[in-house]
Parts: sequence; C-alpha cells; structure tokens
Amino acid sequence: DSGVTQTPKHLITATGQRVTLRCSPRSGDLSVYWYQQSLDQGLQFLIQYYNGEERAKGNILERFSAQQFPDLHSELNLSSLELGDSALYFCASRPGFNTGELFFGEGSRLTVL
Amino acid sequence: AQSVTQLDSQVPVFEEAPVELRCNYSSSVSVYLFWYVQYPNQGLQLLLKYLSGSTLVKGINGFEAEFNKSQTSFHLRKPSVHISDTAEYFCAVSSPGYSTLTFGKGTMLLVSP
Repeated sequence: DSGVTQTPKHLITATGQRVTLRCSPRSGDLSVYWYQQSLDQGLQFLIQYYNGEERAKGNILERFSAQQFPDLHSELNLSSLELGDSALYFCASRPGFNTGELFFGEGSRLTVL
Repeated sequence: AQSVTQLDSQVPVFEEAPVELRCNYSSSVSVYLFWYVQYPNQGLQLLLKYLSGSTLVKGINGFEAEFNKSQTSFHLRKPSVHISDTAEYFCAVSSPGYSTLTFGKGTMLLVSP
C-alpha cells in the first residue's frame, strides 16, 4: 500500500460525458501528479500540483483540467469524453517539489463507450 | 528534454534463469533514475532508484541495476527469477531541474516454469 488513494477504481461512461477522478496523496506529501496510461502511448505525464499550485504541465488535453485543494487532495476532470480517452489514470505523490521517487496509487480505469 | 528507451517490449524467460531488462536514457544534465514494477491490475511500485553515489543499486525482490553514465544506461538485473516476477517493468528518468518523471514504454517480463 503506497498510501495514495484513488477513487473510483473503475468508471464506465459514454462519449460526450464528463467525469471526475479523485486522489488523496500520502500524508504530508505536497506534490501531486497525474499520469495517463494507455496501450499505445504508455505512461504520459499530464499535470503536477505543488501545495495547491499548478507547477508543471505535460500532454494534457484542453478538455482535461485538474486542481489541488487546501487539504492537498486533487481532482482530475475529464470532459467531452471520447473513445480514445479510455485509459488508466494514475495519481502519484511525493513530499517535495522535484526530488525523490513518486508514490503511485492503484489507478482509476476509465472506459468510454 | 529527457527520454527513456526500453529496448525490449517483452522478455520471456524460464524460472530460475537470470534476466536483464535494458534501459537507455537521454538527458543533457545529471540524472536520477528509477525502476518501477507494475503487477496486473495494480499501480506502480518502486523497485530501486539511483540518485547519486554508488553506481550499483540494489532494490527489492533481489533486483539490482547499474548506472553507466558513459553508455547512458540503467539496466535492471536479477540472477534468478521466479514466476511471481511476471509483471511489467518501467524505467524512468528525472533530473534536478525537472519536477517530473519521464517513463519508458515498459518491458513485460514473462516467467514460465
């Protein structure tokens, strides 16, 4: 158990819909990362928050957004969903800004039908 | 920019045989290197990491890796694998100036009796 909690574990929805994925980082970790894992693209970095502020952005679509709340949990919002958005979405956390390893949650599997 | 190349998408091996999973990275600055393992339907778990110091790094479950700066490699080895080592293995790179981890596409290790 990494200490990172993600909900929901599985989500099935239809094209055009909007979903929210939730992440609780390890106790005391200030940095939260979101990654997307798909068969064709592998693990792609989406976005990083540090203590409530966006700090780095990767290959995140404009239809996707995220935020980190004062209690440090984070949410990833995916809207106008397309079939290609079906993937495993991972949240990870680390204590600091840019040192050390990431601790990953078990992921949220999104299926868009 | 940083990148990671995992040269083998799949490595089949018999139980109790040695294995090496290859990883090469590209970075213009000093690096931090990581190996993660992903068991089916689970998140990523850290196997080992190189931040500085000794180039031979020992990790969990009997795995080790060697950082070779001249060859820009960080190959993962285990002298004798078990069926339970069947999983996907990801190499990742980061640097002091980067806050994110860049992952390779993964190598599926298939251990058969």
